[in-house]
Amino acid sequence: DTGVSQDPRHKITKRGQNVTFRCDPISEHNRLYWYRQTLGQGPEFLTYFQNEAQLEKSRLLSDRFSAERPKGSFSTLEIQRTEQGDSAMYLCASSLGRSSGSRYEQYFGPGTRLTVT
Amino acid sequence: SQQGEEDPQALSIQEGENATMNCSYKTSINNLQWYRQNSGRGLVHLILIRSNEREKHSGRLRVTLDTSKKSSSLLITASRAADTASYFCATGHGAGGTSYGKLTFGQGTILTVHP
Repeated sequence: DTGVSQDPRHKITKRGQNVTFRCDPISEHNRLYWYRQTLGQGPEFLTYFQNEAQLEKSRLLSDRFSAERPKGSFSTLEIQRTEQGDSAMYLCASSLGRSSGSRYEQYFGPGTRLTVT
Repeated sequence: SQQGEEDPQALSIQEGENATMNCSYKTSINNLQWYRQNSGRGLVHLILIRSNEREKHSGRLRVTLDTSKKSSSLLITASRAADTASYFCATGHGAGGTSYGKLTFGQGTILTVHP
């Protein structure tokens, strides 16, 4: 399967614990995005990378959240001191991105469902 | 924050009927995309329409874009039970700069197609 993969698919953690999620994008895609989706809502943008550079972060991304994309390949999203409000589906997507502005469709992974108890 | 508003929030039709979903947005866009989400396959890209386009077709899908009204519609013709899913519009922003490529999603329309 050459799509976007995410690990783990489900994570249950206790409030106050740290969690880390991983995303492996489609190999030739230079852009990688993180979104968060709660029940009944559309995905909300968190952050994105072009290669290894983190180019934009949403105000939703508090200082408890950190994302990395070492060497422009896979990415990790860490949440420190989790809170019950962090319970959501965390989605990763990747795309091609060229300054000439060709194609922007994003390919999404299956998501990691986080439950904070 | 959510950019778009989708209408209706839920739509229930019979197999073979057409389904129309509408999306409105607030700020200027570079492109608008439609995605489908169901529990089995996650979010799947359906179609992209650029801000300088007015209509686009892909199989049974037809998308229109009216930038003067800041609105788009998705028409699914001859619907099938397998089309049952949530449908989201997403707007792409930026003409360069750091917002290039980021998507802002609406809240979605839940479509149920009865066999």
